[in-house]
Amino acid sequence: DIQMTQSPSTLSASVGDRVTITCRASQSISRWLAWYQQKPGKAPKLLIFTASNLESGVSLRFNGSGSGTEFTLTISSLQPDDFATYYCQQYNSYSRTFGGGTKVEI
Amino acid sequence: VQLVESGGGLVQPGGSLRLSCATSGFTFSTYNMNWVRQAPGKGLEWVSFITTNSGLKSYASSVKGRFTISRDNAQNSLYLQMNSLRAEDTAVYFCARGDTAIDYWGQGTLVTVSS
Repeated sequence: DIQMTQSPSTLSASVGDRVTITCRASQSISRWLAWYQQKPGKAPKLLIFTASNLESGVSLRFNGSGSGTEFTLTISSLQPDDFATYYCQQYNSYSRTFGGGTKVEI
Repeated sequence: VQLVESGGGLVQPGGSLRLSCATSGFTFSTYNMNWVRQAPGKGLEWVSFITTNSGLKSYASSVKGRFTISRDNAQNSLYLQMNSLRAEDTAVYFCARGDTAIDYWGQGTLVTVSS
């Protein structure tokens, strides 16, 4: 199974900060990677698909990049609504895997 | 698009439960579907995937041999049969639409495995 490792697990930041979250795959997944945002008690929300494609309606503050085994999610200027937990997910095969999550807190 | 899970509840270790997901607002038969779970206070864990015609099903190693995914395209519904349940299966189970990335999620149904 493909393992996904996210870092950091927790990130402390302030409004206006630029933040970067990293996701590493245990083997190449080409660009078959998605990023999700989840708030407490809610279902996850798709932000980015195919590594760098912004889902419709998602703020341009969010940017995804990478290919192969290393990927990043960057939030250009953190807003109060962005404090949440972020997950990466690979879908290179019919077996999917999520990263462990990154909690972005104040 | 709506995905509404049901069937969760309290079950004893070793017991069984069948989750259902009723869908609407899209052509169910043309989308691959998933189940994803989240244990209390923990991260997301992908559980299972099924293709449009049920021709391919895949499972996380943690549930393989105990869980079975199925679908009824005529009823626009997705199912998860869970057998030999363990305490570590306690989680909110989400029904999720996605051929690749998951673009729509249900609100989840809580399964608690405890004596």
